[in-house]
Amino acid sequence: GENVEQHPSTLSVQEGDSAVIKCTYSDSASNYFPWYKQELGKRPQLIIDIRSNVGEKKDQRIAVTLNKTAKHFSLHITETQPEDSAVYFCAALDQTGANNLFFGTGTRLTVIP
Amino acid sequence: EAQVTQNPRYLITVTGKKLTVTCSQNMNHEYMSWYRQDPGLGLRQIYYSMNVEVTDKGDVPEGYKVSRKEKRNFPLILESPSPNQTSLYFCASSSQPTGQGYEQFFGPGTRLTVL
Repeated sequence: GENVEQHPSTLSVQEGDSAVIKCTYSDSASNYFPWYKQELGKRPQLIIDIRSNVGEKKDQRIAVTLNKTAKHFSLHITETQPEDSAVYFCAALDQTGANNLFFGTGTRLTVIP
Repeated sequence: EAQVTQNPRYLITVTGKKLTVTCSQNMNHEYMSWYRQDPGLGLRQIYYSMNVEVTDKGDVPEGYKVSRKEKRNFPLILESPSPNQTSLYFCASSSQPTGQGYEQFFGPGTRLTVL
């Protein structure tokens, strides 16, 4: 099955700075890469996703880039705000036909006011 | 309101006492899944179901059972819980078609402690 690695495990930034979280995956056939945000005590929620036919996708202050050749994708958050503090998970869709997501181990982002 | 619900939200039990965590979705989703979340390990899939009466093992199925008798419900059963099953459990659902990467919606989570 798919193996997803995520770095860093913790990240602290000053408010207003940018944050970047990186993930790699193992299965070159994977074609869908979502990012989930989990606030403290809450459920994971999808914040952005990208499919393999595009290299970059933006939604206001967040963007995701994908390099299929290198099998890595990244989440970029600009102009960070305290409410961006959360755990972020990347994931890759398994292509065996079961619609299974394989998740990274998470990045705890802290935005310091 | 479209949602995934889980019950109970918190449970403390003892080793060997059978328990069931219920999961229900009202979005008519065909795909449902159970995950456990442990510090430093992220979300790991326990079991999933692609449709009624169709279930399969995920990455960490040992010690768990599931059933899918109705489309909306996907209970997680621990026949003989052990302390290493102490974890935060999430149910999730998504629509088909398979492999198209439809968003998975998560339930609120169930925090289980096995003493």
